[in-house]
Amino acid sequence: EAGVAQSPRYKIIEKRQSVAFWCNPISGHATLYWYQQILGQGPKLLIQFQNNGVVDDSQLPKDRFSAERLKGVDSTLKIQPAKLEDSAVYLCASSLEASGRNEQFFGPGTRLTVL
Amino acid sequence: ELKVEQNPLFLSMQEGKNYTIYCNYSTTSDRLYWYRQDPGKSLESLFVLLSNGAVKQEGRLMASLDTKARLSTLHITAAVHDLSATYFCAVEADKLIFGTGTRLQVFP
Repeated sequence: EAGVAQSPRYKIIEKRQSVAFWCNPISGHATLYWYQQILGQGPKLLIQFQNNGVVDDSQLPKDRFSAERLKGVDSTLKIQPAKLEDSAVYLCASSLEASGRNEQFFGPGTRLTVL
Repeated sequence: ELKVEQNPLFLSMQEGKNYTIYCNYSTTSDRLYWYRQDPGKSLESLFVLLSNGAVKQEGRLMASLDTKARLSTLHITAAVHDLSATYFCAVEADKLIFGTGTRLQVFP
């Protein structure tokens, strides 16, 4: 079974630029998550989708971050404009059932450096 | 707000020794996960603990959950270098809340 796919793996941008990350969850997984992991910390949930609807985006900085999940499969996370403190690894995860109370499987992450 | 604390934050241990990592959390939950993360890599699921008193073992690692004490432990038996990594516990409330992580370094 293929795992969660993410691209790009690495991205370096200057502050105030825009960036987008892509995630393809495990086939058949209804729930998709985006996490931000700052160096030396545990991942923090940014947004959770159930199929193509948003379940929880309470910790998403909506003035600069946006995310969508078209057709309930792939998802993109965008930052516009980026700030220095956005430097982190952005992890995508998916879980099987729509309830969300299932084990999450994580992708390899995208490491973002904002200069 | 649910808080999840791990200790120690950093653990340097000799091969062959035993040690325990502790995960304390601040609110009721009956579902706890342990993950391993190697440098520059993503999170690998180790254990899912679903009820009070749950104990799971895989190789040199054993995890337990005490929901009444709001405490989980990850016990390492006879450590080997390959166990060097960062270990996270994560508690499920309305979302998954991760601990601060314990960076384990095993030396000869």
